[in-house]
Amino acid sequence: GAVVSQHPSWVICKSGTSVKIECRSLDFQATTMFWYRQFPKQSLMLMATSNEGSKATYEQGVEKDKFLINHASLTLSTLTVTSAHPEDSSFYICSAQGTSGSYEQYFGPGTRLTVT
Amino acid sequence: GIQVEQSPPDLILQEGANSTLRCNFSDSVNNLQWFHQNPWGQLINLFYIPSGTKQNGRLSATTVATERYSLLYISSSQTTDSGVYFCAVERGGNKLVFGAGTILRVKS
Repeated sequence: GAVVSQHPSWVICKSGTSVKIECRSLDFQATTMFWYRQFPKQSLMLMATSNEGSKATYEQGVEKDKFLINHASLTLSTLTVTSAHPEDSSFYICSAQGTSGSYEQYFGPGTRLTVT
Repeated sequence: GIQVEQSPPDLILQEGANSTLRCNFSDSVNNLQWFHQNPWGQLINLFYIPSGTKQNGRLSATTVATERYSLLYISSSQTTDSGVYFCAVERGGNKLVFGAGTILRVKS
């Protein structure tokens, strides 16, 4: 149980284009989903928190107009990187927290984005 | 904000050896989780352990909330245990703060 998927697992795009990453909770409903970013050999940094049906809250220093987050249902959140630049190249990971009242988060397999 | 420190940063073990990884945190927490990040980047939940002791096979974890630390024990290590081990804590707002991780390499 508690499986989270991400799609795509990797993507290469040209500078200036937009990329959408999907995060789905497969066997549970997720009240809250989170988006993290991880640079090589570094830890995970929280980018934003999204609750179903409401606007995402972004961490300090994260541009909300660049990283658009939509949490349209209790099983799906999307992250769109708009007008991507090479410095946006990174490993993006989502997590989901269920509705059971537990604080435990379950993580997706990550999406590796390369912007050329 | 809350600080999370993990030690050691790197660890090399011979297969079959035991090890202890430590996580110190600077304030009381609602949630503490240990993860193993495999070479493909997937974070695998090891333990959800805001307090107490849990065991799962060769792994066990103890969190002493009053003293603000958690320990992850790996016994009889295997090469498949290699990877990065993260401790993450949550103090409020459901937001996890990750430590820098411990890179574990198990040699056969």
